[in-house]
Amino acid sequence: GAVVSQHPSRVICKSGTSVKIECRSLDFQATTMFWYRQFPKQSLMLMATSNEGSKATYEQGVEKDKFLINHASLTLSTLTVTSAHPEDSSFYICSAKSPSGGAGYEQYFGPGTRLTVT
Amino acid sequence: DQQVKQNSPSLSVQEGRISILNCDYTNSMFDYFLWYKKYPAEGPTFLISISSIKDKNEDGRFTVFLNKSAKHLSLHIVPSQPGDSAVYFCAAGEGADKLIFGTGTRLQVFP
Repeated sequence: GAVVSQHPSRVICKSGTSVKIECRSLDFQATTMFWYRQFPKQSLMLMATSNEGSKATYEQGVEKDKFLINHASLTLSTLTVTSAHPEDSSFYICSAKSPSGGAGYEQYFGPGTRLTVT
Repeated sequence: DQQVKQNSPSLSVQEGRISILNCDYTNSMFDYFLWYKKYPAEGPTFLISISSIKDKNEDGRFTVFLNKSAKHLSLHIVPSQPGDSAVYFCAAGEGADKLIFGTGTRLQVFP
């Protein structure tokens, strides 16, 4: 249980274009999902909290107009990187909390999406 | 301001021995702590967690110890196996959902 998938696993796009990354909870419903990014040899940094049916909550310093988040259903959240630039190249990972099992605060992560902007 | 720190970037341990990974934090309001294992180009895999009201939690070969007065937690893996070789992240959370991750420790278990 608590499986989270992401699509695509890798994407290369040209500067100025937009890229959409999907995050799905496969065996549970997630009212809240989280989007992180990781630069090489660095820690995971929370970008935003995605709430089903409402606006996402962005961390300080994250541009909400650049990183559009849509949590349209209880099993799907999407992150769209708009007008991508080379500095947006990174590893993007989503996570979700399963409503059952464990202590209730464990987050389960997807496999990540490697974005390269040329 | 790094609220969660893993001061050892790497650790090398012989197979069968104990691996001890350390993590320090600065925010005394953290309610819970977690350890994740991560391979390159993959998402983190949840290993074990501990609530701030406990000082120890054990799951198979993995034990997490929490010392609140020292704001320190550690992950013990015993016995260590070559398949344990990966990057280990500690994470801390306060209240609802936000997790703060440490910088990671690369563990290498050699035969």
